[in-house]
Amino acid sequence: QKEVEQNSGPLSVPEGAIASLNCTYSDRGSQSFFWYRQYSGKSPELIMFIYSNGDKEDGRFTAQLNKASQYVSLLIRDSQPSDSATYLCAVRVGDMRFGAGTRLTVKP
Amino acid sequence: DADVTQTPRNRITKTGKRIMLECSQTKGHDRMYWYRQDPGLGLRLIYYSFDVKDINKGEISDGYSVSRQAQAKFSLSLESAIPNQTALYFCATSVNRAVEQFFGPGTRLTVL
Repeated sequence: QKEVEQNSGPLSVPEGAIASLNCTYSDRGSQSFFWYRQYSGKSPELIMFIYSNGDKEDGRFTAQLNKASQYVSLLIRDSQPSDSATYLCAVRVGDMRFGAGTRLTVKP
Repeated sequence: DADVTQTPRNRITKTGKRIMLECSQTKGHDRMYWYRQDPGLGLRLIYYSFDVKDINKGEISDGYSVSRQAQAKFSLSLESAIPNQTALYFCATSVNRAVEQFFGPGTRLTVL
């Protein structure tokens, strides 16, 4: 079992819709959780981080963490074509461990 | 702007050659990391360093070595490159391990 798992996608949503990206992790000792966005051919950049159970909102983005179920999700409201990218979930278990990423396409 | 830079940005080499990838940062961060990215596998940690005197192996260190020449410089070497080391390589930095990592632009390495 991979330490951090994500659906590879591609996930396709229409412009203006909510995109929901999910991530599960295997180590219950994981302490902090990150969502990175990576455009094709570019480096990852941080969108959100979350440490505590519950929701954390930042503009159109909401990160949700459920440590009991070992999952973390990212919701993107009012999706825009510029949100089309690969989204990487990362979990700190000592080192940072990354999922393989979910490719999101937002269609105009 | 404080930044993370990598050289070269692209490199094509032949099996058996020694290759060095370089990373420099002006962020003043102590922690530096080398990752490789392969399609479907995500980012995997090769080596990391918490300061000049501290080097640690990551998830996939075999076939690689590193050198931390200064706080701002962290180099990755492939002693004898092989085709399955063809990948996109990223350097990253962080203030400490609890917070986000900042990534360089990446080096695309092709081993023929």
